[in-house]
Amino acid sequence: EDQVTQSPEALRLQEGESSSLNCSYTVSGLRGLFWYRQDPGKGPEFLFTLYSAGEEKEKERLKATLTKKESFLHITAPKPEDSATYLCAADGAGNMLTFGGGTRLMVKP
Amino acid sequence: DVKVTQSSRYLVKRTGEKVFLECVQDMDHENMFWYRQDPGLGLRLIYFSYDVKMKEKGDIPEGYSVSREKKERFSLILESASTNQTSMYLCASSSSGSVTYNEQFFGPGTRLTVL
Repeated sequence: EDQVTQSPEALRLQEGESSSLNCSYTVSGLRGLFWYRQDPGKGPEFLFTLYSAGEEKEKERLKATLTKKESFLHITAPKPEDSATYLCAADGAGNMLTFGGGTRLMVKP
Repeated sequence: DVKVTQSSRYLVKRTGEKVFLECVQDMDHENMFWYRQDPGLGLRLIYFSYDVKMKEKGDIPEGYSVSREKKERFSLILESASTNQTSMYLCASSSSGSVTYNEQFFGPGTRLTVL
């Protein structure tokens, strides 16, 4: 059974304090690893797709990386507007996305 | 911009009622999905559809059915609502190819409360 686990569940940062979110996955035949951002009361918003180990993608203060067992979302010098829940999801051979529980990020000014 | 809309943001129903949740996408996407999101459990797939009149069960289809009569519209039906179906319901769509290979675009969600 495919499994995706995100850690930590919640993360408080000061503005400018860089950190990383972790997404560990156990998926047979990974075809893609997706990162989403979700603001309170809204649907998830697509950020990145990673397809193979070693791949990296960047968008503003966010950088996503992928290994054979996990993915990291690095946040460099975060701002309060980066506060949100970040979700990762794995696309395996089962033809469905398996989502992790999310990391709730709070950035204080 | 891809737009996925859901018929209601908030809905309150009584136990035993039949409930319809509607989802419409405007990007001519082949694939559409219904998820529910609960604290501590993340997003769980209820049903998906990769073509008109086609449907596949997800992880938690019990108590739900779906209908896709037109490409742009995917409906989730709760035949007899129960309190354990109180949740946030999210619809998503994606373009063709592998059902999940392309990124999914989500609607704003419907928060359903069953009393």
